[in-house]
Amino acid sequence: AQSVSQHNHHVILSEAASLELGCNYSYGGTVNLFWYVQYPGQHLQLLLKYFSGDPLVKGIKGFEAEFIKSKFSFNLRKPSVQWSDTAEYFCAVNAVFGNKLVFGAGTILRVKS
Amino acid sequence: DAGVIQSPRHEVTEMGQEVTLRCKPISGHDYLFWYRQTMMRGLELLIYFNNNVPIDDSGMPEDRFSAKMPNASFSTLKIQPSEPRDSAVYFCASSLTAPQGYTFGSGTRLTVV
Repeated sequence: AQSVSQHNHHVILSEAASLELGCNYSYGGTVNLFWYVQYPGQHLQLLLKYFSGDPLVKGIKGFEAEFIKSKFSFNLRKPSVQWSDTAEYFCAVNAVFGNKLVFGAGTILRVKS
Repeated sequence: DAGVIQSPRHEVTEMGQEVTLRCKPISGHDYLFWYRQTMMRGLELLIYFNNNVPIDDSGMPEDRFSAKMPNASFSTLKIQPSEPRDSAVYFCASSLTAPQGYTFGSGTRLTVV
């Protein structure tokens, strides 16, 4: 069964700082990878996804993620965060031939203005 | 496209009462998922349906929980009897073809007192 580990539960940054959120998954086969964002009081929204091809994936709002197969990682990055990026970020994975999306525990990002 | 629609947005009920949560998936989506989100356990998949048929209900916590999907445009999650530990946000999500990433509803915040 797949599992997802997000390294940091809380991250606090100042505006304009660079962001990297770690995500590692455990699964021996081919996977699809996702990052979701949940703004305070709202539902989860898809930030970006990786299925195949270029391991560097660009998503909405300036976010990107890099799939490193050898490290089973899919870290989320943004060069310069804004106060409006304050939210909880979830990494998720499912097997290519599976149907269940397994989520990590989430990382709460707080950006200080 | 109205997205995934959940009702009610908030529900407060007394312990022992029956609670019914409702979900309308995006038209044409053939997968529907019910998740529960709590601070302690994060996002947990409770059950999912494909073409109205329950595929995996291994995440349903106990017999007090039941879910149905009588047609392609409607699903319910019922808790009977409800207990304070069921307090959580319950999300419904749908997908055109798993695994393509899900679209989440706004959630139902359930409080059992």
